[in-house]
Amino acid sequence: ETGVTQTPRHLVMGMTNKKSLKCEQHLGHNAMYWYKQSAKKPLELMFVYNFKEQTENNSVPSRFSPECPNSSHLFLHLHTLQPEDSALYLCASSQGAGGNSPLHFGNGTRLTVT
Amino acid sequence: EDQVTQSPEALRLQEGESSSLNCSYTVSGLRGLFWYRQDPGKGPEFLFTLYSAGEEKEKERLKATLTKKESFLHITAPKPEDSATYLCAVQGSTGNQFYFGTGTSLTVIP
Repeated sequence: ETGVTQTPRHLVMGMTNKKSLKCEQHLGHNAMYWYKQSAKKPLELMFVYNFKEQTENNSVPSRFSPECPNSSHLFLHLHTLQPEDSALYLCASSQGAGGNSPLHFGNGTRLTVT
Repeated sequence: EDQVTQSPEALRLQEGESSSLNCSYTVSGLRGLFWYRQDPGKGPEFLFTLYSAGEEKEKERLKATLTKKESFLHITAPKPEDSATYLCAVQGSTGNQFYFGTGTSLTVIP
């Protein structure tokens, strides 16, 4: 596996379900990110981890809970979501947060909340 | 406030018809301007980083340029496989934020 891998690719969940999104990067990067992409809107930063430490929480509702056990893995735990949370969730990595190296993205998880 | 505006929102070109996409930005202390390509159902794919005004980068039919207020992505003699959404992002001197535009959806017709 190379690059940034996200699973699952598609997820349909009810408002009372609990699910998790997984991201793994094989680039040797130290920073990992969660972004939300909705139609006609700019990518919206959710969380940033640098060397496993959370450095940004962009006022994200508590129904989204990130976890970063090491620099290669990132999870987004979901519970009691709302229909407006339906979107493409993208994981990205970079050499280090705070530098000027580009983000490298996975192919995302398409989430539908029913 | 840091922000990015991309234009046009959508662009249809005939195969071989060259054109340019625009990315206007305001940022306090530009650390980098980034261009990405996104195909339907996939994540953004990194294309270029530009760091200072006057800088240019090229890759196949794409050429990115940067001024103090905007960046252009020039597409020369495009092919249908160049059809995608092109995203621009900037990173300022404070924080870890990348500010993205809403993208230009490019369609190249054979």
